[in-house]
Amino acid sequence: EAAVTQSPRNKVAVTGGKVTLSCNQTNNHNNMYWYRQDTGHGLRLIHYSYGAGSTEKGDIPDGYKASRPSQENFSLILELATPSQTSVYFCASGDLGLNQDTQYFGPGTRLLVL
Amino acid sequence: SQLAEENLWALSVHEGESVTVNCSYKTSITALQWYRQKSGEGPAQLILIRSNEREKRNGRLRATLDTSSQSSSLSITATRCEDTAVYFCATDNNAPRFGAGTKLSVKP
Repeated sequence: EAAVTQSPRNKVAVTGGKVTLSCNQTNNHNNMYWYRQDTGHGLRLIHYSYGAGSTEKGDIPDGYKASRPSQENFSLILELATPSQTSVYFCASGDLGLNQDTQYFGPGTRLLVL
Repeated sequence: SQLAEENLWALSVHEGESVTVNCSYKTSITALQWYRQKSGEGPAQLILIRSNEREKRNGRLRATLDTSSQSSSLSITATRCEDTAVYFCATDNNAPRFGAGTKLSVKP
């Protein structure tokens, strides 16, 4: 069964602290994505990856780093968390090739930066 | 950049009725996806329609794509209360970009 898991599911951080959000997929997908979702903005793309070792900047990368150490794992790192990064973060995996058109999202991580 | 956007913020229908959500996009695409997101969950992919397709169906769902007007629609027939959710379109070239979504409420 296709699955994307995220950890932690909820996180409270302090301003200036480091936060790492983790994502794991068992779908053997090449592509993985990180989004944040805020009321009125839909989902906004932060970083994405085409495979292990690759990371690409999305539309709102400032203040975030990404790491893809393996096919299965994709992390989002907030080196110096700020209250404006309070949001719900979603990870997704997908492959949109000729014979595949699947994309799966994780359940989300609620991050509160105080 | 918001490359896709749904045309209405919210819609309300009664169970059994049909409903259509519309989407417009701003760039050439390789594919357009429709997603549904229920409260407290991650988005779930409903239909992917490629740029060389004009229509695609999935059960009670039907998506259309008009590349000349850069628009797409998602129709749901025989709606059920469990169809209540936010519906997003997303353009997909190198990575999916989402609109703000249309909130659909299906009332008994």
